[in-house]
Amino acid sequence: ETGVTQTPRHLVMGMTNKKSLKCEQHLGHNAMYWYKQSAKKPLELMFVYSLEERVENNSVPSRFSPECPNSSHLFLHLHTLQPEDSALYLCASSQDIQGYYGYTFGSGTRLTVV
Amino acid sequence: DAKTTQPPSMDCAEGRAANLPCNHSTISGNEYVYWYRQIHSQGPQYIIHGLKNNETNEMASLIITEDRKSSTLILPHATLRDTAVYYCIVRAIHSQGGSEKLVFGKGTKLTVNP
Repeated sequence: ETGVTQTPRHLVMGMTNKKSLKCEQHLGHNAMYWYKQSAKKPLELMFVYSLEERVENNSVPSRFSPECPNSSHLFLHLHTLQPEDSALYLCASSQDIQGYYGYTFGSGTRLTVV
Repeated sequence: DAKTTQPPSMDCAEGRAANLPCNHSTISGNEYVYWYRQIHSQGPQYIIHGLKNNETNEMASLIITEDRKSSTLILPHATLRDTAVYYCIVRAIHSQGGSEKLVFGKGTKLTVNP
């Protein structure tokens, strides 16, 4: 257990479904991140939040919608996904946006879009 | 452009030291060297980081050359559980706050053999 908890661990959804991924950390960190890891590709940074404010959005399609209601929780709302969106979605947190002491990652949500 | 170059794969015998190299010939003065690893189907795990001095913690040692153009991560007594993809990442930390985000490359797949 890293201190960053992601739920669900596995998710299968149809292309017309709406689902949400949840990330929770109780490390007292102020920055949180969403990464996507597709098969045989490097991790891709999707979104960055600092003190609940989105500070980076790396050209992610609008069918992915992040939400950060407080510094401990981060959500990724999914809508009308495509099969190529199937991937491991990883949440991470760091003490602050500098991330000097490193990022702490969750175990990820394995998403399959059918 | 990738800031680091790592061999795609390495093997190591259990109980021996694993020495993972990383080239970062274009590193600049405010860029740190970070190492993470990712065990299969888990999120990445922070290992160690350094600027110019050698660093050691309970997981590993980081040796950075004097010109800072390359570094080596050393796992002193590798175990089967150290089998993972190891990522060497160079990122800038700015003294006035803010920093480059954590960008992952392809890493080195280390296999520890019995």
